[in-house]
Amino acid sequence: EPEVTQTPSHQVTQMGQEVILRCVPISNHLYFYWYRQILGQKVEFLVSFYNNEISEKSEIFDDQFSVERPDGSNFTLKIRSTKLEDSAMYFCASSREGELFFGEGSRLTVL
Amino acid sequence: AQRVTQPEKLLSVFKGAPVELKCNYSYSGSPELFWYVQYSRQRLQLLLRHISRESIKGFTADLNKGETSFHLKKPFAQEEDSAMYYCALNWPNAGGTSYGKLTFGQGTILTVHP
Repeated sequence: EPEVTQTPSHQVTQMGQEVILRCVPISNHLYFYWYRQILGQKVEFLVSFYNNEISEKSEIFDDQFSVERPDGSNFTLKIRSTKLEDSAMYFCASSREGELFFGEGSRLTVL
Repeated sequence: AQRVTQPEKLLSVFKGAPVELKCNYSYSGSPELFWYVQYSRQRLQLLLRHISRESIKGFTADLNKGETSFHLKKPFAQEEDSAMYYCALNWPNAGGTSYGKLTFGQGTILTVHP
C-alpha cells in the first residue's frame, strides 16, 4: 500500500539555522499539506499546496516558512531561521480527494 | 471560529466494556467531521468520516448537529483499540472549497485493560 514518507525522522538544530524537512507524497495525490504538533498540544494545520502553489496557510506559517515541490515528487518545508518554539513534530500529508494520508512525522528539536 | 473539543485526555476501560470518546465542535457552517487514530509508533490514520456513515473496527460515530457532537463509540472494547484518538473538523476556505484544512481536537488516549 502506498505511503507518505518523511525524512529525516528526527533533526536537531541550533537556533537560527535553516532546516528543510522532506516529504514524498503518494504519487497520484494532488493536494499536499504540512501540519505540526508541539509536544503536549494539538495537531495544527500549517499550509496546503495544490497545483504548484500554496492554496491556504495558517497564521503560524509566517515568512520564516516556505514550501516547495522542487521535482514533482518531493514536497519540502523550509524553516529559514529556526526558533526554540519551532521544536515540534511536523507531519506531511497528501490527498487525492477527501481522506488525508499522513506521514510518520519529522521531529525537529531546536536548541 | 471553528473549534474541536475532546474533553477527556485519558480514558481507561476494561476489555469488553463499552467505550465512548467525546467530541464537540463549534462551526457555523456545515461541518465535515472525522476521527483519526494513532496506534503506538504508527502514523495518524483515518478511522471514520461522518459522511460515509460506516462502521470501522466496530467503531461508529454519529453527527448530532443539535448538540454539535460527534462522539465515537464501540460497544465492546478490545485491547488492540488502545491508541490516541483525534477528532477533526474539515472546513472549507472562503471560496467554499475544502482543501483538507483540518482542525484537530486535543486527542484522547484510550487504554483498554485486559
